Amino acid sequence: DAGVIQSPRHEVTEMGQEVTLRCKPISGHDYLFWYRQTMMRGLELLIYFNNNVPIDDSGMPEDRFSAKMPNASFSTLKIQPSEPRDSAVYFCASSPVPGGPIPTDTQYFGPGTRLTVL
Amino acid sequence: TQLLEQSPQFLSIQEGENLTVYCNSSSVFSSLQWYRQEPGEGPVLLVTVVTGGEVKKLKRLTFQFGDARKDSSLHITAAQPGDTGLYLCAGAALGGSARQLTFGSGTQLTVLP
Repeated sequence: DAGVIQSPRHEVTEMGQEVTLRCKPISGHDYLFWYRQTMMRGLELLIYFNNNVPIDDSGMPEDRFSAKMPNASFSTLKIQPSEPRDSAVYFCASSPVPGGPIPTDTQYFGPGTRLTVL
Repeated sequence: TQLLEQSPQFLSIQEGENLTVYCNSSSVFSSLQWYRQEPGEGPVLLVTVVTGGEVKKLKRLTFQFGDARKDSSLHITAAQPGDTGLYLCAGAALGGSARQLTFGSGTQLTVLP
């Protein structure tokens, strides 16, 4: 299995531009999570989905942030307009369905997207 | 909001030394996990502890969940340079979804050869 795939790995943009981060979870996993990691605030949960439906978006910092999961194999996190304080590493993670050999609370993280907003 | 505080924040030791990292909270967790993160990568799960007082061993790493399920520790024996990384604890809220984790601030460990 290829693991969780994120793209791009690095993104540099200017303030005010729209940014779209992409994630492909592990096949067969039913939960998908978006996190943000900074030195100041550590690893923060932004939003998570179950079977493509958003369950809790209370961690999304502002209306400038939005996330979608149109199908089980793809999710996007969009920031519009972007601001310098959005600079961080954004991680996507997925966890498996119940009934398999791996506990459902195991989260598999992607390599992250390092976003820099100038 | 449930907070997890880790200590120390930074730790630099020589190869062969022992160390302990702590994860503390005023809240009770249904389970607690430890992850290790290397530069440029996402966190990787090391262990999950569920029962108060539980101890789990993974080679030279020993994990303990506090009796009251509010704290945990990670002990490494005879540390090696390959143990270098950011260690994160993460808890699932009691009564909440086991899938929704709150992460600690992390301990950056450096093991010098």
